[in-house]
Amino acid sequence: DAGVIQSPRHEVTEMGQEVTLRCKPISGHDYLFWYRQTMMRGLELLIYFNNNVPIDDSGMPEDRFSAKMPNASFSTLKIQPSEPRDSAVYFCASSHMWARLSSGANVLTFGAGSRLTVL
Amino acid sequence: RKEVEQDPGPFNVPEGATVAFNCTYSNSASQSFFWYRQDCRKEPKLLMSVYSSGNEDGRFTAQLNRASQYISLLIRDSKLSDSATYLCAVSTGGGNKLTFGTGTQLKVEL
Repeated sequence: DAGVIQSPRHEVTEMGQEVTLRCKPISGHDYLFWYRQTMMRGLELLIYFNNNVPIDDSGMPEDRFSAKMPNASFSTLKIQPSEPRDSAVYFCASSHMWARLSSGANVLTFGAGSRLTVL
Repeated sequence: RKEVEQDPGPFNVPEGATVAFNCTYSNSASQSFFWYRQDCRKEPKLLMSVYSSGNEDGRFTAQLNRASQYISLLIRDSKLSDSATYLCAVSTGGGNKLTFGTGTQLKVEL
C-alpha cells in the first residue's frame, strides 16, 4: 500500500487566495482526519470523518475552512480566503476500526503533510 | 489547561544515556494512550501504545498512571537515531479521535 497520500507537498500563496489540500487515505480505512501543526500550538485536530461522514468539526478554526469527503478514497480541505496565520503543516491521517479493536489502540497513519505558507 | 501537556525540551543527552519523558492529560475519562515519534519535517509515526500494565518494546518502556493522569516513556541506551520529537496522544470517548501533546524534543549527542 502506498500509504496516505497528500498533495500538494508545498504551497505558497498570497493572502486572500483559495487553497485546496487533497488527501487519499489508505484503502479500506474508514476514518479520515485532518490535523494542523504549528510550532506554537502543536498538532491540532481540525475535523474527522467516519465512512465519509463528518463526525466532529469542532476543531475547524472558522468559516473560512471547509472539508469534504465525497468518497472513501478522497478528501479535501479548503481555505477561502487564506490568511498568513493559516501558515502551517496540514496532515491527513487515516485509520481502521478493526485496528482499534485488535490492538486496543487507535492507530493513525499520517500522510507526509502539506506545508502551507500564506504571504 | 491543555488537554495533553508535555515538557517541550529539548532534552540533550549523551549516547547510551537513559532518558524519560512524561505527559499529563486532563480528562480522567481518557481511554487509550500512545507515543508517536516525529522526525524533523516528517509526519508523526506510531512508536508504541501504552497499556495499563505498562509495556516494553526493546529499549522503550511506556507506562500509564491513571491516578495521577500521566503517561511516561523511558528510553534506555539512547542512540543517535533516537533524536526526534516524541508526541504523546490520548483518546477520549468513542471513535478514533486523538488529542496530541505539543511534543518533547530529544537530542542524543556523541
